[in-house]
Amino acid sequence: DGGITQSPKYLFRKEGQNVTLSCEQNLNHDAMYWYRQDPGQGLRLIYYSQIVNDFQKGDIAEGYSVSREKKESFPLTVTSAQKNPTAFYLCASSTFSTQGRLFGYTFGSGTRLTVV
Amino acid sequence: DQQVKQNSPSLSVQEGRISILNCDYTNSMFDYFLWYKKYPAEGPTFLISISSIKDKNEDGRFTVFLNKSAKHLSLHIVPSQPGDSAVYFCAASANTGNQFYFGTGTSLTVIP
Repeated sequence: DGGITQSPKYLFRKEGQNVTLSCEQNLNHDAMYWYRQDPGQGLRLIYYSQIVNDFQKGDIAEGYSVSREKKESFPLTVTSAQKNPTAFYLCASSTFSTQGRLFGYTFGSGTRLTVV
Repeated sequence: DQQVKQNSPSLSVQEGRISILNCDYTNSMFDYFLWYKKYPAEGPTFLISISSIKDKNEDGRFTVFLNKSAKHLSLHIVPSQPGDSAVYFCAASANTGNQFYFGTGTSLTVIP
């Protein structure tokens, strides 16, 4: 079955540590996205990538980093510079029509990160 | 600045009645709109879409209406069922856009 997999489901991090969230898709989608969900704030874009080895900052990129070495994978690193990392993180993927229209996202099941 | 807005954080409806969730947008370039449904601790799942060439799209109990002049769309669920209790997000994109913009969500509770 094609889909998008995020791991782990729950993650605990000590203050001052970096942590990496995994996102893998087997949908052959070109574009991948990382969102953060906080109560009452909806989905806020952290980073996105439309092709391998290229990515762009979203609205709240500070304190995060990403890589896109393979089409299937788009890991997110939450660095110690992120002031308030406790949140629910969602990865999504999509692709474009031949006319360049972005199709709707397929989301992963999310990772709950808690700083302890 | 929030380009897609859902001004009602929560909504409660009796089972069997109609649920109406609203969404407003500010960017006139948006021409493709989606609704997603999200349960706690899960990823959003696609519900229904509408293109700006239409003003209505139906899929079973779900209907989305688009009023381009008012920059407003709404999701109607009828009849509402307890399993519809979830957070609903609307999202919008432009024809040449490379991302969707999301509203802040409306938490729907359907009371049995």
